[in-house]
Amino acid sequence: QVQLQESGPGLVKPSQTLPLTCTVSGGSISSGGYFWTWIRQPAGKGLEWIGRINNSGRTNYNPSLQSRVTMSVDTSKRQISLILSSVTAADTAVYYCAKNEHGALDYWGQGTLVTVSS
Amino acid sequence: QSALTQPPSASGSPGQSVTISCTGTSSDVGGYNFVSWYQHYPGKAPKLMIYEVSKRPSGVPNRFSGSKSGNTASLTVSGLQAEDEADYYCSSYVGSEIYVFGTGTKVTVL
Repeated sequence: QVQLQESGPGLVKPSQTLPLTCTVSGGSISSGGYFWTWIRQPAGKGLEWIGRINNSGRTNYNPSLQSRVTMSVDTSKRQISLILSSVTAADTAVYYCAKNEHGALDYWGQGTLVTVSS
Repeated sequence: QSALTQPPSASGSPGQSVTISCTGTSSDVGGYNFVSWYQHYPGKAPKLMIYEVSKRPSGVPNRFSGSKSGNTASLTVSGLQAEDEADYYCSSYVGSEIYVFGTGTKVTVL
């Protein structure tokens, strides 16, 4: 049973960079055929697909965020990282990581709340 | 990419059926069979209920079913139970290795 756990700073100041980490347990992060995806949900709003990365480092980003998003994978640490630069209050959200297989997100983390405020 | 369109709310009495629509375009929902549905309780991790339009993951009750016609996908919950009260989101592949979510539907069990 794959388990994912997001972690992050909780509070970030406007214009700064937001680093998030997703740690994978209970399954192989190195197996091919699937991607690790980041999703976010601002309070009271819907889900937004941020982007994904596979174990080889191949990435795909939401065009609306592409200029500010960087994802990476560290298979030795079983971690997937998301960096979002130049954050604003609009980036305040719960951030989730999930495993993407067969075009669907079959395992999700519990999410981590990030607030952008001075 | 614009979010797929879902009704903000849907409701039904216990035992009844409720159907949620997810409308896109020929470039997303209508163009690919990678439509999935998620159940989301506030404060919890979303749960995959349907993938590839109509397939159910192991453990998901067969009361949940998915279908697609043209540019609109649908999730039907039959035999509504109190535990089905949640937010539901659709998602679709939109090409170029990109995915998009629907606007979300709050299902209320009356």
